[in-house]
Amino acid sequence: GQQLNQSPQSMFIQEGEDVSMNCTSSSIFNTWLWYKQDPGEGPVLLIALYKAGELTSNGRLTAQFGITRKDSFLNISASIPSDVGIYFCAGQPATSGTYKYIFGTGTRLKVLA
Amino acid sequence: DADVTQTPRNRITKTGKRIMLECSQTKGHDRMYWYRQDPGLGLQLIYYSFDVKDINKGEISDGYSVSRQAQAKFSLSLESAIPNQTALYFCATSGGFADTQYFGPGTRLTVL
Repeated sequence: GQQLNQSPQSMFIQEGEDVSMNCTSSSIFNTWLWYKQDPGEGPVLLIALYKAGELTSNGRLTAQFGITRKDSFLNISASIPSDVGIYFCAGQPATSGTYKYIFGTGTRLKVLA
Repeated sequence: DADVTQTPRNRITKTGKRIMLECSQTKGHDRMYWYRQDPGLGLQLIYYSFDVKDINKGEISDGYSVSRQAQAKFSLSLESAIPNQTALYFCATSGGFADTQYFGPGTRLTVL
């Protein structure tokens, strides 16, 4: 099935460092969502973006909806051990005409104390 | 209480058996979805339903069927389970103008 290009696939960082990940597509999207998934659990919504250029924060997390509507990034500032997990982006294609979302393959984050 | 619940959370079954995974939601959303997740991969859409009378196939519907018993309930069935259906299965709901998707905790299914 169709999936978004999400990078990096995985990253090891030191506690306190900032983290950045992004999703890109060749298609235009109406909505971008960012989720975090812990092992054995369902994805939990972190941030939702609905307009091109929108910049939204949720605590130490900041996400932006790209101006071209084809990309989005998520930043985590001052990472802590509990940030460990898999981060997924999801986009709603503008041409889909439905409420379906396409998901990235995830960024696996590991934080070294 | 969780807004989206799934039962069972874990299930081990044998090849050829019929099984049903259930999803319930208290968010009052019209739209419900079933996804499959394999290790190292993103979520793949199996089926989705925009209201009780509307059922649609997703990207990987072969070998699966669904039933939307009520606005709040959406079940996924494997008519004759096979080992490559071993995966994590997630139910999700969305609704309203924003249409943000909310996920259940998942069902880990193992087919031997």
